[in-house]
Amino acid sequence: AQSVTQLDSQVPVFEEAPVELRCNYSSSVSVYLFWYVQYPNQGLQLLLKYLSGSTLVKGINGFEAEFNKSQTSFHLRKPSVHISDTAEYFCAVSAGGSDTGRRALTFGSGTRLQVQP
Amino acid sequence: EAQVTQNPRYLITVTGKKLTVTCSQNMNHEYMSWYRQDPGLGLRQIYYSMNVEVTDKGDVPEGYKVSRKEKRNFPLILESPSPNQTSLYFCASRRLAGGGTDTQYFGPGTRLTVL
Repeated sequence: AQSVTQLDSQVPVFEEAPVELRCNYSSSVSVYLFWYVQYPNQGLQLLLKYLSGSTLVKGINGFEAEFNKSQTSFHLRKPSVHISDTAEYFCAVSAGGSDTGRRALTFGSGTRLQVQP
Repeated sequence: EAQVTQNPRYLITVTGKKLTVTCSQNMNHEYMSWYRQDPGLGLRQIYYSMNVEVTDKGDVPEGYKVSRKEKRNFPLILESPSPNQTSLYFCASRRLAGGGTDTQYFGPGTRLTVL
């Protein structure tokens, strides 16, 4: 079974400052990793995903994440945040199962990013 | 426009009164899933379906039922709701062929309150 830990439940940051949202996972098999964003009163949408290859993944809205296998981490970063980035961010892992169609997403508990002017 | 729709968006009900939350997708996705979102717990999978008439339990299936009679629809049924089912519910879909690599598309959510 896989699990995801998002260590920070809330991250306050000032506009134009850099931010890092942390995500660690555990799994006994190879994984696919995702970051989703949930804006207020909306569903989740995909920011970026790591499937294989380059460990640095670029996503939408200027976000990027780095897969670190030895540290089992997939931290999300943005060099300069905007007020509009205020949202909840979820890290998720898809792993396991010989039938790849069954692969379910396991989500972390979420990190609320609060960008202040 | 590719989308997943859910209805209703908000629902307040009383303990024991059966309810159904509908979910529909227009992307011809085989895989559909229901999640509940609770503070501090993230999203947890309730049930999923890999195709018509094929459903299976997720991590928290107790108290819920689903059906998949048509490819586009995947309703969530609460036969006898209880207050601990008060939550925010999301329906999601993706292609089956991509396995775990494919993006899941989420509906806007249904906020359910059981009194």
